[in-house]
Amino acid sequence: DQQVKQNSPSLSVQEGRISILNCDYTNSMFDYFLWYKKYPAEGPTFLISISSIKDKNEDGRFTVFLNKSAKHLSLHIVPSQPGDSAVYFCAASSNTGNQFYFGTGTSLTVIP
Amino acid sequence: EPEVTQTPSHQVTQMGQEVILRCVPISNHLYFYWYRQILGQKVEFLVSFYNNEISEKSEIFDDQFSVERPDGSNFTLKIRSTKLEDSAMYFCASSELVRRSGTQYFGPGTRLLVL
Repeated sequence: DQQVKQNSPSLSVQEGRISILNCDYTNSMFDYFLWYKKYPAEGPTFLISISSIKDKNEDGRFTVFLNKSAKHLSLHIVPSQPGDSAVYFCAASSNTGNQFYFGTGTSLTVIP
Repeated sequence: EPEVTQTPSHQVTQMGQEVILRCVPISNHLYFYWYRQILGQKVEFLVSFYNNEISEKSEIFDDQFSVERPDGSNFTLKIRSTKLEDSAMYFCASSELVRRSGTQYFGPGTRLLVL
């Protein structure tokens, strides 16, 4: 039951370039979306969120875009830095509960 | 900066044994969660806890699992009789507010291995 999908298990990007991480969801009841970053041996760290009433949210180098009709969201990191190398999870929830559904993660490597 | 802590970092146990995973949430947070991640798979929600009771649980959280806030600081997850498939990384999280406006802060996890 994969309600949230991250179809790219890994991504490599040159330092300074843009990283684009993608996430798709199937449940039309989802109305709140988050991105988490995870380093090895650490728990996920909140990065950025977006509510379904918006289609874009920006925080410094990180921007999340939401396309509700396509049930798709993406995280843009620009410019990418080597310290951004981590596993990125997208997560979603609906207003019917406080459970988050996570994707399987995308491992980002930023090459110096 | 306040953080969620978890102990132990690693636990190895025999199938059928009981394990207790411990978490100390951030002190002013009111909502607590357990998630697990089986190796190579997605992070899965187990349970949320508020006001000394379970507020939501997933299908994974069956009768073998229980949670407790035994005192003002700890939040525990007990697995009564472990199975091989319980081997996973278990993450505790806490938030000041529920879900939407409350970012969930995660602990570093406990890696549980059931033999």
